[in-house]
This record gives sequence, C-alpha cells and structure tokens, in this order.
Amino acid sequence: AQTVTQSQPEMSVQEAETVTLSCTYDTSENNYYLFWYKQPPSRQMILVIRQEAYKQQNATENRFSVNFQKAAKSFSLKISDSQLGDTAMYFCAFMKARSTSGTYKYIFGTGTRLKVLA
Amino acid sequence: GAGVSQSPSNKVTEKGKDVELRCDPISGHTALYWYRQSLGQGLEFLIYFQGNSAPDKSGLPSDRFSAERTGGSVSTLTIQRTQQEDSAVYLCASSSVQRETQYFGPGTRLLVL
Repeated sequence: AQTVTQSQPEMSVQEAETVTLSCTYDTSENNYYLFWYKQPPSRQMILVIRQEAYKQQNATENRFSVNFQKAAKSFSLKISDSQLGDTAMYFCAFMKARSTSGTYKYIFGTGTRLKVLA
Repeated sequence: GAGVSQSPSNKVTEKGKDVELRCDPISGHTALYWYRQSLGQGLEFLIYFQGNSAPDKSGLPSDRFSAERTGGSVSTLTIQRTQQEDSAVYLCASSSVQRETQYFGPGTRLLVL
C-alpha cells in the first residue's frame, strides 16, 4: 500500500522569502503521479503542481517548483517570493499510473499549514 | 459548468437523521471521486465512479454510506442514520478520464449534533 508523509504540520515564512515544504512517500510502483494541492480557508482544493514519475525534469509553475528525488521517494515543494495569498494548507498526493482495480484515487499526506507573514 | 460544484455548502443535522450531499462535476468529466476530510483522519478516499458505475467503493466506512451517479453527471452521497463521527468535510472531485488530474469542488461541511 502507498503512504504519503508530510512531516511539517505547520510552517511560516516572511513575505517575499522562499519556503520549502517536504513530502515523502512509499510505493513499490515505478510509474505514478505526484501532486501538490493548496487548500485556503475557502476549502477549495487547488492544484499547484503535478509531476510524472517518469520525467526526470522537475516541474515548475511560476513561483512554485518541486524537487523530485525518485530514488529517495521525496517530493518537496518550493515557493519562491512568498505572497500573503499563499497562506493555506498544502497537501501532497500520490496517484498510481496503472491500477488493476481501475481506480485512480489519490493518497494524501496529512498536510502542512503554511502562513505567510507580512 | 466552470468547475465542480457541491451542495449544500454546510449542513447541520441531528444524530440519526439521513443526509444527501450533491456533487455536480465539470461537464464532460467521466470520472468522479468522493473524499472525506476530517480532523482525525485527514483526507480519505470514499468511492470512485466511472460513468454511472462505481468500480471502487472500498473507502465507504460503513453500510450507512451509499452513493449514486446518474446520467454520467451528478452524484449524490447519502449517509443514513448519521453519527457524530460522520462530521467532516465531504469533497468531490472529477477528472476528464482516468489517470488525469482531479479537480475538486468546495466541499460540504457536515456537522452532526
């Protein structure tokens, strides 16, 4: 069974600075997808970034980038130039690329609450 | 629609009552997922629909929970004889096809008194 671990329950960062959120996972699969979602107080889960395990290049979306270390099963999220609007819960999620049951459900970590300070 | 919608946004009910939670996925999305977000359990998978069929119901916590999907679109999650431990945020997500990124609705916050 797959597991996802986020070891930082809470973090804070000064506005305009950089912060890194950690995520590790455990799987015997070779092909899979990893995601970071943001959940502000509105509860809406918003996709931040997605990484395909077969791609060696780290995904980047504007101020958000990941450090994907497949051998170490690590998938950290770096937020550059942090903004007040980045304040939210951040969830790391895992999804298999092949499923014998036909389900492509997400396995989520427990989340990291990030607060950006003015 | 522009995104996944869920109703009601909040629901307060008394222990023992039945509740229905609705999810309207993004138009054209064939895959639909229900998740539950609770303080003690984090985000957990409940059920997956492909079209109108549910090939994976493995996450439903008890037989008090059921879900259906009609017309390959709207889905309803029903909780019978609600218990206090059912209090949580129920999130719905949809994707265009399997293995694609899931898009989430705003959730329904259920409080069972």
